[in-house]
Amino acid sequence: KQEVTQIPAALSVPEGENLVLNCSFTDSAIYNLQWFRQDPGKGLTSLLLIQSSQREQTSGRLNASLDKSSGRSTLYIAASQPGDSATYLCAARDIYGNNRLAFGKGNQVVVIP
Amino acid sequence: NAGVMQNPRHLVRRRGQEARLRCSPMKGHSHVYWYRQLPEEGLKFMVYLQKENIIDESGMPKERFSAEFPKEGPSILRIQQVVRGDSAAYFCASSPPTAPYNSPLHFGNGTRLTVT
Repeated sequence: KQEVTQIPAALSVPEGENLVLNCSFTDSAIYNLQWFRQDPGKGLTSLLLIQSSQREQTSGRLNASLDKSSGRSTLYIAASQPGDSATYLCAARDIYGNNRLAFGKGNQVVVIP
Repeated sequence: NAGVMQNPRHLVRRRGQEARLRCSPMKGHSHVYWYRQLPEEGLKFMVYLQKENIIDESGMPKERFSAEFPKEGPSILRIQQVVRGDSAAYFCASSPPTAPYNSPLHFGNGTRLTVT
């Protein structure tokens, strides 16, 4: 059974600092890994999808890397802004389970102005 | 281009009542997924449906829960005889019919169920 862990659970950074969020998964047999953003009381917004054959994906200030063999993905957010405050979730789509996503509990981020 | 639409946004039910949660996928999407988020927990997979077919319901509780995605209309997640432990946020996601395993899932804003 795929287990996804996100560390740290919560962090606060001053505005302008780069954010580094870590995600680890126990089973490397995945199709892809997807990063989401969730604001309080809201749904999930898809940020980046990295296929298993890719090493990284970039979108604006966001960059996600994937090291499938070690079961790790990292989300970098450059020059953080107060609007980046949210919970960030990673989810692994393994090859066994009928398109199921296994989610971590999230990194809760506060960017201090 | 509307995203995944869920209603209602908030639902309050007394113990023993039935809850019906609705989900309309993104336009052109024919695959629907339901996930549940309990307080302080991560999202957990419940069920994966295509039009008129349940593909995987391994995450659904065996009793009181059912889901459908009819040929016409939204997908429905139905919870009979609700109990306090059913209080959670229920999220629906959808993906397109082509390459569903390689496409990102798009989520709705969820339905927050409170059982009193």
